[in-house]
Amino acid sequence: SQQGEEDPQALSIQEGENATMNCSYKTSINNLQWYRQNSGRGLVHLILIRSNEREKHSGRLRVTLDTSKKSSSLLITASRAADTASYFCATDAGTYKYIFGTGTRLKVLA
Amino acid sequence: SQTIHQWPATLVQPVGSPLSLECTVEGTSNPNLYWYRQAAGRGLQLLFYSVGIGQISSEVPQNLSASRPQDRQFILSSKKLLLSDSGFYLCAWEPTGTQAFFGQGTRLTVV
Repeated sequence: SQQGEEDPQALSIQEGENATMNCSYKTSINNLQWYRQNSGRGLVHLILIRSNEREKHSGRLRVTLDTSKKSSSLLITASRAADTASYFCATDAGTYKYIFGTGTRLKVLA
Repeated sequence: SQTIHQWPATLVQPVGSPLSLECTVEGTSNPNLYWYRQAAGRGLQLLFYSVGIGQISSEVPQNLSASRPQDRQFILSSKKLLLSDSGFYLCAWEPTGTQAFFGQGTRLTVV
């Protein structure tokens, strides 16, 4: 079964706008990661946030984690057409397994 | 540096035929290895993971099996493919406790 569920399933925005995606999960975690997938390709790691962290930044990416609500959000600021992709959260419950959510399909319109 | 190779990139196989997808990792030893399947427009489903040679954990009962004959080789197999086995298969490896690195995937179409 899926551990994470992303919301929204699809998002369409104009270039320059910010994009926010949310992820909810079910069980306790050690860390949560966000990945990006271009159409028909493998996944690329974006950022990892540990369970004792609340916020993390990497370039135009900002990730928050609320372990009390079992949720995380990914914010992409000043989006570009090249950000068009699917974004997945993945949780590591400490059992060598990464469980991925269903993904958010982001489309950035030029 | 470490790299992961997954092949073939695309595969069209008839129903009932066997399957063998291979994944190898270079530049590291004793990685955790994973096979995922992704249905069209959907998330990733963990199929198998391995923490060492000959150690395979299966996440879902299905028509597939996995083997790890060498430290850096992970193979996904089927004796007889079903139409429902079609999908995008991704191999990944992980240095324990950090991010996962993915191969480029194999798009399998069973006809």
